[in-house]
Amino acid sequence: GIQVEQSPPDLILQEGANSTLRCNFSDSVNNLQWFHQNPWGQLINLFYIPSGTKQNGRLSATTVATERYSLLYISSSQTTDSGVYFCAVVDRGSTLGRLYFGRGTQLTVWP
Amino acid sequence: GAVVSQHPSWVICKSGTSVKIECRSLDFQATTMFWYRQFPKQSLMLMATSNEGSKATYEQGVEKDKFLINHASLTLSTLTVTSAHPEDSSFYICSASILAPSYNEQFFGPGTRLTVL
Repeated sequence: GIQVEQSPPDLILQEGANSTLRCNFSDSVNNLQWFHQNPWGQLINLFYIPSGTKQNGRLSATTVATERYSLLYISSSQTTDSGVYFCAVVDRGSTLGRLYFGRGTQLTVWP
Repeated sequence: GAVVSQHPSWVICKSGTSVKIECRSLDFQATTMFWYRQFPKQSLMLMATSNEGSKATYEQGVEKDKFLINHASLTLSTLTVTSAHPEDSSFYICSASILAPSYNEQFFGPGTRLTVL
């Protein structure tokens, strides 16, 4: 299956700082999603972004499909941003939409 | 966005009993649902892919007789952990997929925390 690598594995920030999370994938994809897993375990959809750039408030994401990577930007981070951020992709040949997950980035934001 | 519910949110059971977990898509029809398992501080591990009206497709290493999946309708899939043992204790998460031409976003339920004593 397709390989998904996320970096960094851990990130510690002070409130107000900006950060960039990276997701590399090993093959062509027709879906890429970014999720935030909150402390209760719920995965929250942040972006559906197989290509291009999207913004939602303090968060934005860019996927460069031809170069097989995606970036998630968090600006002016808040303590509530803490949690694990996952990148997941569906390979181009998939008919059922099976997601392949990276190992995640654990973000901790201190007040 | 689309909403997926899971019930129960947590369950404690004795070793040897069976536990059923329900996954529902509340405001959309999902032709495909997925079941994942997550251990502490690890990523999600896909257990099986479930299509309405057909048998589930299990990932390698997942025992289909132990983890029974039924996808009875376009809005409901169930996972039954049969004869549960302590090693089955984990966080189980379902997701539902909206499949359309050029669009296949997945939405996740809140998860079920299973503890087997």
